[in-house]
Amino acid sequence: GQNIDQPTEMTATEGAIVQINCTYQTSGFNGLFWYQQHAGEAPTFLSYNVLDGLEEKGRFSSFLSRSKGYSYLLLKELQMKDSASYLCAVLNSNYQLIWGAGTKLIIKP
Amino acid sequence: DAMVIQNPRYQVTQFGKPVTLSCSQTLNHNVMYWYQQKSSQAPKLLFHYYDKDFNNEADTPDNFQSRRPNTSFCFLDIRSPGLGDAAMYLCATSRGDRDTDTQYFGPGTRLTVL
Repeated sequence: GQNIDQPTEMTATEGAIVQINCTYQTSGFNGLFWYQQHAGEAPTFLSYNVLDGLEEKGRFSSFLSRSKGYSYLLLKELQMKDSASYLCAVLNSNYQLIWGAGTKLIIKP
Repeated sequence: DAMVIQNPRYQVTQFGKPVTLSCSQTLNHNVMYWYQQKSSQAPKLLFHYYDKDFNNEADTPDNFQSRRPNTSFCFLDIRSPGLGDAAMYLCATSRGDRDTDTQYFGPGTRLTVL
């Protein structure tokens, strides 16, 4: 089967750094996406990785290791508005997007 | 601004009473998707259209139907909603490129079944 694993919930402090991990087992790989989803809202696109390494976009960075089937999303200088769920999704060899259940990130003052 | 629009944002229906959710896009994307998402779960793909080509996921119940009359609009029809169909319904679009085919989501319609 195909699956995406990410922690259910994480807690961090405002101003700190947090790393959200994602491991995947899919039939083939054509890229990995991270989406942010605030409660009751739709997912919004954060990042896309298809090559190994780190992609940086402001306070958010995403890392990929294809050989390990592993990615992480790094959030720096956390703000209260970063409280949301973060979903990892992998595009498999059939160009189907396989979704993780999301990691709920709670930011405390 | 180019966007994906869903109407209504909140829909209440009665058990067994048909309901239609709508999605429109100004992105001129080839592909449109309908997802069902329940609380704290991953979005579940129901179907997608590549242009006019309809693709049904194998485990999508027959109770769910879809129409795409033109490039801009797509509808989700739930013929006989059950209590288990209460969820957020998300419409998404993508260009349909094989590489970097990012999906962009509308705001969703939250369906309540009484």
